[in-house]
Amino acid sequence: GDSVTQMEGPVTLSEEAFLTINCTYTATGYPSLFWYVQYPGEGLQLLLKATKADDKGSNKGFEATYRKETTSFHLEKGSVQVSDSAVYFCALSDPTSGTYKYIFGTGTRLKVLA
Amino acid sequence: EAGVAQSPRYKIIEKRQSVAFWCNPISGHATLYWYQQILGQGPKLLIQFQNNGVVDDSQLPKDRFSAERLKGVDSTLKIQPAKLEDSAVYLCASSASSGPTYEQYFGPGTRLTVT
Repeated sequence: GDSVTQMEGPVTLSEEAFLTINCTYTATGYPSLFWYVQYPGEGLQLLLKATKADDKGSNKGFEATYRKETTSFHLEKGSVQVSDSAVYFCALSDPTSGTYKYIFGTGTRLKVLA
Repeated sequence: EAGVAQSPRYKIIEKRQSVAFWCNPISGHATLYWYQQILGQGPKLLIQFQNNGVVDDSQLPKDRFSAERLKGVDSTLKIQPAKLEDSAVYLCASSASSGPTYEQYFGPGTRLTVT
């Protein structure tokens, strides 16, 4: 079945450091890919998405490129801030499921130190 | 625009007791989802409604879990009887329709502890 694998956390960085959180997927069809963020005490929020190969999603300085050849969707940010501290979830939605069901990764906790 | 509302935010019960969670989606959203998020894991879809009909409940433990969406608006998720392994955060989400074009908006969740 479909699955999403994320790098394990926690990831601890200093402010202004470069961030990469790895995400790879397995899917039957050609899924859409998402990054969600969960700030402390809040619900999940969509950060960015890409719906086809080579698409780049971007938002709030974060970027991720849909790489079909490596089945990856790694999240990057050039300069993290303390306010980026949160849990990040990679997810896919496979149209072959018929219901576009979302499959989430286990999440990666990011802690940014001032 | 009001977000997805859930209540209660926290609930502690003993095993074999019953519990119910309530969700009010964003107004006009046709699709409603219930997810279970166990500590250290990603959300897992339990049930998906399109208006007031169920479109996916393949991962819902139907011997103890039930859900309904009255009049295609609010929804209730019930567990009866609860087991220790049901301890988790229960997330409700809604979207204008199903499909990757439509963003899922999540509520804050209900944290359930079964003792």
